[in-house]
Amino acid sequence: GAGVSQTPSNKVTEKGKYVELRCDPISGHTALYWYRQSLGQGPEFLIYFQGTGAADDSGLPNDRFFAVRPEGSVSTLKIQRTERGDSAVYLCASSLTGTGDYEQYFGPGTRLTVT
Amino acid sequence: GEDVEQSLFLSVREGDSSVINCTYTDSSSTYLYWYKQEPGAGLQLLTYIFSNMDMKQDQRLTVLLNKKDKHLSLRIADTQTGDSAIYFCAERFGAGSYQLTFGKGTKLSVIP
Repeated sequence: GAGVSQTPSNKVTEKGKYVELRCDPISGHTALYWYRQSLGQGPEFLIYFQGTGAADDSGLPNDRFFAVRPEGSVSTLKIQRTERGDSAVYLCASSLTGTGDYEQYFGPGTRLTVT
Repeated sequence: GEDVEQSLFLSVREGDSSVINCTYTDSSSTYLYWYKQEPGAGLQLLTYIFSNMDMKQDQRLTVLLNKKDKHLSLRIADTQTGDSAIYFCAERFGAGSYQLTFGKGTKLSVIP
């Protein structure tokens, strides 16, 4: 069956540019998460969507980061004025619901490199 | 936030058992997870344990939880070269929560 997909798989951009990263969750999953994994680290939570709304964006590092999920399915993570420190693998996950006994299914990630 | 600690590297011979350890600091953690990450791939959930359990076994995998010491371990029996990967311990703070907090991961190398 189709899992979580993310595009692009790799993105190289210059410092100061704007990037968009896309996540397609598993069909029917209402909850969607973004995590960031820096080199040698475990994933760190960025934002959680329940349906169309961002239920918790406390993990977003600053106001250059923004995410949307307008129709409650596909989500886009947007990064403005990219900096070299934004280089990381951005992971998306989805789950059937956001609470209770559930599993978060992860996509393969988008590797972002800011030069 | 709370920390999840793991040793960074483990090397074992093919056919031996591997034991990957993890400590966590928040006693209110309800769910504890083990994820596997192979090079260039996403995270794959291997198993999880609810905090009111001491042990969970699933084929070659055994998870042990010592809630008093906040210690979690993953034992892989008959380790194979295909088990070479990074293993992450993660915790979630209750049924009403959703954030996973991950450790830095343990890189398991299996020597043929």
